[in-house]
Amino acid sequence: NAGVMQNPRHLVRRRGQEARLRCSPMKGHSHVYWYRQLPEEGLKFMVYLQKENIIDESGMPKERFSAEFPKEGPSILRIQQVVRGDSAAYFCASSLTSGGPSDTQYFGPGTRLTVL
Amino acid sequence: QKEVEQNSGPLSVPEGAIASLNCTYSDRGSQSFFWYRQYSGKSPELIMFIYSNGDKEDGRFTAQLNKASQYVSLLIRDSQPSDSATYLCAVREYGNKLVFGAGTILRVKS
Repeated sequence: NAGVMQNPRHLVRRRGQEARLRCSPMKGHSHVYWYRQLPEEGLKFMVYLQKENIIDESGMPKERFSAEFPKEGPSILRIQQVVRGDSAAYFCASSLTSGGPSDTQYFGPGTRLTVL
Repeated sequence: QKEVEQNSGPLSVPEGAIASLNCTYSDRGSQSFFWYRQYSGKSPELIMFIYSNGDKEDGRFTAQLNKASQYVSLLIRDSQPSDSATYLCAVREYGNKLVFGAGTILRVKS
């Protein structure tokens, strides 16, 4: 499977627990983006990472959310002390480059987070 | 905050007709524009991108861009029931993040 991979596909957490979402980009892609889609709402950018670097985190909530993309392994989106409002679909996308006008982002299947 | 506006629909068209989906954006400096299709409960799937004024065709899909009017559209010819989905318009901002519209629901009736 050469596409963007995300796991788990579904995640259920109780309020106050931690959620860890993983994303492996397409083969050869080194740029990773996280987006969130709240129920009945559009996709919202959260964070843009390259290996070992956060490039843009302007869409990340100031508290409880963090992201990383280590030198080895998948990108991780971490949500601490989850609340019911965190229930959403979290999508990861990857791209080959970051500069060309035709550079495109390809999305993974998403992780559906449900907070009880 | 840069904005991308789409009519939420639903847009209903009969099978075989042309579906026309429209999108406007607020940032005059935007350079690249994307159309994604999203089936219910699934992830966005890239249909087309466009960055030059005019038309770009790919199979049954044609994207149209008018930067002076800050308007981008997607035409789907010979619409099929399998085209029924939500169509998302996205504009790439400086820094490479995508700003999405809320999406237009398309329903193709057989």
